[in-house]
Amino acid sequence: NAGVMQNPRHLVRRRGQEARLRCSPMKGHSHVYWYRQLPEEGLKFMVYLQKENIIDESGMPKERFSAEFPKEGPSILRIQQVVRGDSAAYFCASSPGGLGGRSYNEQFFGPGTRLTVL
Amino acid sequence: SQKIEQNSEALNIQEGKTATLTCNYTNYSPAYLQWYRQDPGRGPVFLLLIRENEKEKRKERLKVTFDTTLKQSLFHITASQPADSATYLCAHLNTGGFKTIFGAGTRLFVKA
Repeated sequence: NAGVMQNPRHLVRRRGQEARLRCSPMKGHSHVYWYRQLPEEGLKFMVYLQKENIIDESGMPKERFSAEFPKEGPSILRIQQVVRGDSAAYFCASSPGGLGGRSYNEQFFGPGTRLTVL
Repeated sequence: SQKIEQNSEALNIQEGKTATLTCNYTNYSPAYLQWYRQDPGRGPVFLLLIRENEKEKRKERLKVTFDTTLKQSLFHITASQPADSATYLCAHLNTGGFKTIFGAGTRLFVKA
């Protein structure tokens, strides 16, 4: 069973360009989460999505950032008009739908996409 | 605001010794605390979860404690090995069980 896949692993953009980060969850998982990790800092929650729905986007910057998880295909984190401060590692995690008798959903992380803005 | 804090200084220990990492939280009472391992250039890997009504949880050479009075969790690695060198992240899971709030992590170096 393949784990969470993210691509690209490394992405270089110039200021003002758009960045698109993709995440394919583990097989059978219908919940996706995006986190951002700045150098020497912990991971910060950005958004939680289920298929075709944004459940919680309380960690997303109000402007330039958007996320989707369509019925078919990977989840996409989109950053428009990137700035140098967007340079970070972006991690995606997935979990199975339903709680299976537990009150939490164990999350499995992908390898991350390292975004560098020149 | 809810805060979860880990010692930012790296921990250096000798192979075979027990490594102890600390996680403190303030301004809230988490229902669960999790510990993850993160290697350079990789995503976090889940290690252990402990509930607020559990004092201790073990998995092979790993042990986690949860002291709700001190608002602290301790993470122990016994008989440490150089392969245990990594960054260890403490995380709080919100009541709904989906939003994970991470500490900044503590880097552990185990010398042979």
